[in-house]
Amino acid sequence: DQQVKQNSPSLSVQEGRISILNCDYTNSMFDYFLWYKKYPAEGPTFLISISSIKDKNEDGRFTVFLNKSAKHLSLHIVPSQPGDSAVYFCAASAANTGNQFYFGTGTSLTVIP
Amino acid sequence: KAGVTQTPRYLIKTRGQQVTLSCSPISGHRSVSWYQQTPGQGLQFLFEYFSETQRNKGNFPGRFSGRQFSNSRSEMNVSTLELGDSALYLCASSPRTSSYNEQFFGPGTRLTVL
Repeated sequence: DQQVKQNSPSLSVQEGRISILNCDYTNSMFDYFLWYKKYPAEGPTFLISISSIKDKNEDGRFTVFLNKSAKHLSLHIVPSQPGDSAVYFCAASAANTGNQFYFGTGTSLTVIP
Repeated sequence: KAGVTQTPRYLIKTRGQQVTLSCSPISGHRSVSWYQQTPGQGLQFLFEYFSETQRNKGNFPGRFSGRQFSNSRSEMNVSTLELGDSALYLCASSPRTSSYNEQFFGPGTRLTVL
């Protein structure tokens, strides 16, 4: 049972434009969410996180939005750069579950120069 | 600071064999988690160890086991390998066991079961 879903396996965006990656979850106990970026032959690297007490978190070109009522989060990358081309995973966890994170299946982003 | 290291990077085994994968966390990190990544399934949580104790366990059969040593290094063992165990196995370390921190991932071990 996939508790975290990324319904778009791939996304292509022109350089300089906005990339929007989406993630849905089903477990209402999730209260912490992260985005990871993964290049081939490397492990995922942390990008940005958000806790359920917020609805937005920004870090440079990256912004994560959380809509708790819709159980939906999104990652916005503005402006998109060719180096952003990678697979992006969203992950979620619930309080008191240690480092047990539930990951989506990933979205492969291609930024076209 | 050195990152998370995993050995070996690639492994080929046959059905029925067993395999042991190793993970060395970032110095000072006491939590090590293991994940299985397969195409179409994303990363599936296997288990987490903290201070040599299993803290959490995912929904995997008992053929998958692990342990953590006093220096926080961790090993994962899979017995009686099946074709479906072919996957990328990732370990991740964190300074503490908490839902509210990021994990640092190693490059993974690519296991192929023939």
